[in-house]
Amino acid sequence: EVQLVESGGGLVKSGGSLRLSCTASGFTFSGYGMTWVRQAPGKGLEWVSSSTSSSSSIYYTDSVKGRFTISRDNAKNSLHLQMNSLRAEDTAVYYCARWRGNYFHMDVWGKGTTVTVSS
Amino acid sequence: QTVVTQEPSFSVSPGGTVTLTCGLNSGSVSTSYYPSWYQQTPGQAPRTLIYNTNTRSSGVPDRFSGSILGNKAALTITGAQADDESDYYCVVYMGSGISVFGGGTKLTVL
Repeated sequence: EVQLVESGGGLVKSGGSLRLSCTASGFTFSGYGMTWVRQAPGKGLEWVSSSTSSSSSIYYTDSVKGRFTISRDNAKNSLHLQMNSLRAEDTAVYYCARWRGNYFHMDVWGKGTTVTVSS
Repeated sequence: QTVVTQEPSFSVSPGGTVTLTCGLNSGSVSTSYYPSWYQQTPGQAPRTLIYNTNTRSSGVPDRFSGSILGNKAALTITGAQADDESDYYCVVYMGSGISVFGGGTKLTVL
């Protein structure tokens, strides 16, 4: 079964850091791009960051550039999101998703991990 | 700044047909934007419905279909069922790795 499981969420103070992880199973992780999508409480979905399969290309939405870093360890089938200088507006459920670079869409989703930034 | 527009809410009767749309604040959505559609029920992860404008994701029933209508991408649900009551999001690909979600449409089936 193709599966993505996020972890690492929690409560952190404004200005703090958190590292999210996403563990993949059921498919050849090194062959796929990956992405992070977040959803603030009561709000819509927002694309955050994507990485190609080899990390050769990495992309961020403007609001997290310079603060968040996406990375992956293909040997461990894992994707990470290092989040620094966290702000209240980063409070959200963070979803990991498999990103298909042929038609630029997400086709497999994790259940999400919750990040709460307190001011 | 790119803004992807969707109807905030829509309602449909059971068995009815509804078309949700996805536009751009500047310009038209075409197949070149590879529009995709996602369904989300409260408290759950999104589910991929449609990608590349009109290709159904694996396991998605054929009553969900995607298209371009005029200058917008569209998601049509034919024969709506009670469990179609969800939030629906479109995504357009802007190039250079950037994807933009629409604000979502809350669909009520009643």
